[in-house]
Amino acid sequence: SYVLTQPPSVSVSPGQPASITCGEDNLRIITVHWYQVRPGQAPVLVLYDDRDRPSGIPERFSGSNSGHTATLTISRVEAGDEADYYCQVWDSRGDRPVFGGGTKLTVL
Amino acid sequence: QLQLQESGPGLVQPSETLSLTCTVSGGSLNSKNYFWGWIRLPPGKGLEWIGSVYYTGNTYYNPSLKSRITISVDTSKSQFSLKLTSVIAADAAVYFCARLVPTGDYATGGYFDHWGQGTRVTVSS
Repeated sequence: SYVLTQPPSVSVSPGQPASITCGEDNLRIITVHWYQVRPGQAPVLVLYDDRDRPSGIPERFSGSNSGHTATLTISRVEAGDEADYYCQVWDSRGDRPVFGGGTKLTVL
Repeated sequence: QLQLQESGPGLVQPSETLSLTCTVSGGSLNSKNYFWGWIRLPPGKGLEWIGSVYYTGNTYYNPSLKSRITISVDTSKSQFSLKLTSVIAADAAVYFCARLVPTGDYATGGYFDHWGQGTRVTVSS
């Protein structure tokens, strides 16, 4: 089954780009989705199907998927982007969603 | 706008049963297009899918929790529920309910597009 590896933390200054990776050593990542999780708030879907943005998500959020590594990129980070970010794929062999370990984005 | 709200006791004693309910408003639970799920976030750890339910009552469970969980749906009340038996300290977490958008056949993909704010559950005697 999938084991999705994310860096525990990423730090970036406001206005700079931030990239968060989601890797799988053995299995190919077919499609990945990304969530923003802030304490005490409802998680927010920021990207689905690798690169599509739900309504209301700024264009600053973009995504890519090379097969074994997916990447969430925030082009110009703002203080409000500080949160934990999780990738998610679907394990079709187990008929279930699988989440990465999460990455804490800190805006310096 | 679709809203989901979790409810239930914030404190559960070890070995007891945790019962949570998710109330859906601004949209129909009785839809062929979506599934509904429970996800939890233990302190210091990552998100963990617990299970999902279809409006027909069909359920899908995380194998690691399958022996202890029951998820049910009551479309007349716009609610779906989670029961977790024999609770232990490791079950302490923030529990979220969410809507699952399947991509194609359920077995091939999906993502959670709307989430509740979560409810914190503490396990202690």
